[in-house]
Amino acid sequence: AQSVAQPEDQVNVAEGNPLTVKCTYSVSGNPYLFWYVQYPNRGLQFLLKYITGDNLVKGSYGFEAEFNKSQTSFHLKKPSALVSDSALYFCAVRDMGDDKIIFGKGTRLHILP
Amino acid sequence: NAGVTQTPKFRVLKTGQSMTLLCAQDMNHEYMYWYRQDPGMGLRLIHYSVGEGTTAKGEVPDGYNVSRLKKQNFLLGLESAAPSQTSVYFCASTRTVNSPLHFGNGTRLTVT
Repeated sequence: AQSVAQPEDQVNVAEGNPLTVKCTYSVSGNPYLFWYVQYPNRGLQFLLKYITGDNLVKGSYGFEAEFNKSQTSFHLKKPSALVSDSALYFCAVRDMGDDKIIFGKGTRLHILP
Repeated sequence: NAGVTQTPKFRVLKTGQSMTLLCAQDMNHEYMYWYRQDPGMGLRLIHYSVGEGTTAKGEVPDGYNVSRLKKQNFLLGLESAAPSQTSVYFCASTRTVNSPLHFGNGTRLTVT
């Protein structure tokens, strides 16, 4: 069965600094990977996905993520953080041939002004 | 275009009561999912459906039942509510399993 881990409950970054939110996964086949963001009292919004192709994926709001097959990781990154990036971020995975989409526990990102 | 609509937004139940949460999508999506969100636990998949008339178990299906009689609706039922089912429930839908999920705004359920 597929699984995903987000090792950090919270990440604090100063505004203007680069940010990284970590995600590792476990699948039996090829992974399909997603990042979502949740703002307070809202549903989740899609940021980006990796299905196949280039290991560096670009998404919404200046975010990008790097797929690393050997390290089974899909870390979310942004070159320069904004205060408005403060939110709860979820990594999700689907295993090839399975219709379940499994989410991690989430990482709360605090951008400090 | 309403997207994914969840009804109700809030509900308080007593232990042992039953209720049904409704998820409706107007995007003609095949796939629909029910998740629960609890602090420190992230989103956990309860049940999902890959098309009208189909349902399947997710990670935490016990105590819940689902039905997808119409393509646009995915119902989540609690036959006998327990305090452990106090949570925020999210429904999501997608056109294909590799497409982004579209989420509703959630239902906050409290079981006393």
